[in-house]
Amino acid sequence: DQQVKQNSPSLSVQEGRISILNCDYTNSMFDYFLWYKKYPAEGPTFLISISSIKDKNEDGRFTVFLNKSAKHLSLHIVPSQPGDSAVYFCAASAYSNYQLIWGAGTKLIIKP
Amino acid sequence: GAGVSQTPSNKVTEKGKYVELRCDPISGHTALYWYRQSLGQGPEFLIYFQGTGAADDSGLPNDRFFAVRPEGSVSTLKIQRTERGDSAVYLCASSLTLTARDTQYFGPGTRLTVL
Repeated sequence: DQQVKQNSPSLSVQEGRISILNCDYTNSMFDYFLWYKKYPAEGPTFLISISSIKDKNEDGRFTVFLNKSAKHLSLHIVPSQPGDSAVYFCAASAYSNYQLIWGAGTKLIIKP
Repeated sequence: GAGVSQTPSNKVTEKGKYVELRCDPISGHTALYWYRQSLGQGPEFLIYFQGTGAADDSGLPNDRFFAVRPEGSVSTLKIQRTERGDSAVYLCASSLTLTARDTQYFGPGTRLTVL
């Protein structure tokens, strides 16, 4: 049973436009959510996180929104740049557990 | 400073052989994690260490998998009697302390191929 789902395997966005990546989760015990970015042949790199006590967290061009009632979070990238082309993973954890549970990733392609 | 390093970057072995994968965490990081990533999937937790002890090894798939961190720094993931299904990228991460809120920094991974 996949507890963290990223239903879009890939997404193509024009440079300068907004990229929106989505993530759904099923475990109501999750209270901390993260987004990681991964380039080929490299390990994942932390991007941004959000605690369940918030519904929005912003860092420069990156904003994560959390909708607890819908068990849904999204990552917005504005404006999208060519260097944003990568695989984006959503991950979640429950406070009582240090494990990160990961989605399968979404490959973002920024078109020039 | 230096990030997390993993060796080898690629390992090809035959079914039934024994392999060791090494992880060098960021200096001073007390927590170390091993993940396995199969094609088209996100990383899957295997084990994590706080210092020298395995704090949680519940993600290890079976007793062919074992990991050590004898001096609280470098860790080795050991796989006995490898099977084709063990083929994956094995990722190591470290964080300053053992808390889910501490950022995990990942190495580039070891791609294991079992023929």
